[in-house]
Amino acid sequence: NAGVMQNPRHLVRRRGQEARLRCSPMKGHSHVYWYRQLPEEGLKFMVYLQKENIIDESGMPKERFSAEFPKEGPSILRIQQVVRGDSAAYFCASSPPGRGGYNEQFFGPGTRLTVL
Amino acid sequence: GDSVTQMEGPVTLSEEAFLTINCTYTATGYPSLFWYVQYPGEGLQLLLKATKADDKGSNKGFEATYRKETTSFHLEKGSVQVSDSAVYFCALNTGNQFYFGTGTSLTVIP
Repeated sequence: NAGVMQNPRHLVRRRGQEARLRCSPMKGHSHVYWYRQLPEEGLKFMVYLQKENIIDESGMPKERFSAEFPKEGPSILRIQQVVRGDSAAYFCASSPPGRGGYNEQFFGPGTRLTVL
Repeated sequence: GDSVTQMEGPVTLSEEAFLTINCTYTATGYPSLFWYVQYPGEGLQLLLKATKADDKGSNKGFEATYRKETTSFHLEKGSVQVSDSAVYFCALNTGNQFYFGTGTSLTVIP
């Protein structure tokens, strides 16, 4: 049973470009979460999605960031017009349906974004 | 709001030493509590969890007890190994969202 998959593992972008980060949840999981980890800091919640719905985006920056989890395919975290401050590790987690956030979350290996 | 306060690191211990990493929480509901571990270059892995007061989570020699009276979930291990070197995160969940502590880096030296 494959775990949470994220790609790419490493992504380099120049300022002003777009970054697209992909996350495939574990089989049978319908809840997806995105977190950002800045150097020497803990994880910060960004957004919680279920299929075709954004449940909680209270941690998402108001501009340039968006997320989706379509009916088919992986969840996408999109960062437009990246800036150096966006350089971080972005982790995706998934959990099974049922008790929602009370369930354990399973984490992917992360995408390390570097903005030059 | 809900939050987790975690003991700051880094922590350096000799092999076979006793480990305690403190974690306290603030929550309006009845949270589930978790410890996650992150090895270099990897994502977080669940280490243990407790879903109600007085529950004890345990795994790989690590333990933590959900103390509602002191709002704590301290992580302990009686004898650490070099392979335990990692960053440890305390977390809580009362519903949709996980709240993580800032992480405690542990280095175990032979």
